[in-house]
Amino acid sequence: GQNIDQPTEMTATEGAIVQINCTYQTSGFNGLFWYQQHAGEAPTFLSYNVLDGLEEKGRFSSFLSRSKGYSYLLLKELQMKDSASYLCAVRIRNAGNMLTFGGGTRLMVKP
Amino acid sequence: DTEVTQTPKHLVMGMTNKKSLKCEQHMGHRAMYWYKQKAKKPPELMFVYSYEKLSINESVPSRFSPECPNSSLLNLHLHALQPEDSALYLCASSQEDRALSYGYTFGSGTRLTVV
Repeated sequence: GQNIDQPTEMTATEGAIVQINCTYQTSGFNGLFWYQQHAGEAPTFLSYNVLDGLEEKGRFSSFLSRSKGYSYLLLKELQMKDSASYLCAVRIRNAGNMLTFGGGTRLMVKP
Repeated sequence: DTEVTQTPKHLVMGMTNKKSLKCEQHMGHRAMYWYKQKAKKPPELMFVYSYEKLSINESVPSRFSPECPNSSLLNLHLHALQPEDSALYLCASSQEDRALSYGYTFGSGTRLTVV
């Protein structure tokens, strides 16, 4: 089976940096995705890691360690609009490119 | 066109009604998905279509019936639903090629309320 864990909620201050962790235990790992989802809206793609290391994209970075089954999403220079849920999702090889989602982390950014 | 379009955006239906949710994409994606999402929960996979054939059914009750008329369209037919089926229904599509790194493209969802 697949098991993907994230913290349920986090709070951070506008302008600060926040790190959202994701740990996973899966068979047939074939990539890890981070999505942002505002309440009542569809998830939107943020980042993708399939090899170990850091991927940077503007204010957002994502890190992967396959040996540890661990990823994090780093958000810099937080803005109020970053208040949303952040979903970690793992793609499984030989499963129709299917993504399995973690429970999501609700981030609240305060002034 | 880089979007997945879902209609309707909102739907209220009675437990005896029959309705359909529609999803359309023109990105040439050959895999399409239906997910159900309850409030403050992650999306849960319902169905996967690959090259217009149903490849995964995650033990979904028969009151939900998917249909893929062609490579661009995906429908979800609803009949005799229960109030607990009220949720956000998300459609997504993706390339079948594992080398591509963009995962899914999601539609904006249909907010379904069963009364």
